[in-house]
Amino acid sequence: DIQMTQSPSSLSASVGDRVTITCQASQGISTYLNWYQQKPGKAPKLLIFDASNLETGAPSRFSGSGSGTDFTFTISSLQPEDIATYYCQQYDNLPTTFGPGTKVDIK
Amino acid sequence: QVQLQESGPGLVKPSETLSLTCTVSGGSISSSYWTWIRQPPGKGLEWIGFLYSNGSTNYNPSLKSRVTFSVDTSKNQFSLHLNSVTAADTAIYYCARDVRLTGYSSGWYEIRAFDIWGQGTMVAVSS
Repeated sequence: DIQMTQSPSSLSASVGDRVTITCQASQGISTYLNWYQQKPGKAPKLLIFDASNLETGAPSRFSGSGSGTDFTFTISSLQPEDIATYYCQQYDNLPTTFGPGTKVDIK
Repeated sequence: QVQLQESGPGLVKPSETLSLTCTVSGGSISSSYWTWIRQPPGKGLEWIGFLYSNGSTNYNPSLKSRVTFSVDTSKNQFSLHLNSVTAADTAIYYCARDVRLTGYSSGWYEIRAFDIWGQGTMVAVSS
């Protein structure tokens, strides 16, 4: 199985800050990577697909980049409603696997 | 718009079979892929497997020996059956649509994502 790691595991930032989360795959996965947001008590929600494509309806402050083994997810200006855990997911190989998540909080 | 809703018992005894159903509303279950994912309390996401509306399946090798999916297109539902459960199977179980986009650009590619999720249902395994 392809192992996904994320860093940091948690972060605290101020409203308006730029927030960056990294995701690394144990082997190259091209751009076959998605990002999900999970708010407390809710189901995950797709934000970014194929590494850099914004899902319809997702705010434009969310963006993604990367290919191969290293990926980045960015919130350009953190908002209070962005408090959540963010997961990356690879789908290059089955079984599809998720990163352990990054919990984002407001300072 | 398409919506998903999981249903089933919230408590299952050890060694018994966990059975859940996902009902698709606002659209047809046909000609689409559907998936099950679970999340133990306070932990991350684990993919269980996917099925296509014609009944073909693919399971996570970690659960393959215990899991079966089925589909009922007449009811717009698909189901998960996980046998010989233990406390380690206690989790929130989600169903989701597994959307795929295939194209060609210096080689074939297939973009995949879980774009619509049910709200999830908590299943505890306990005697």
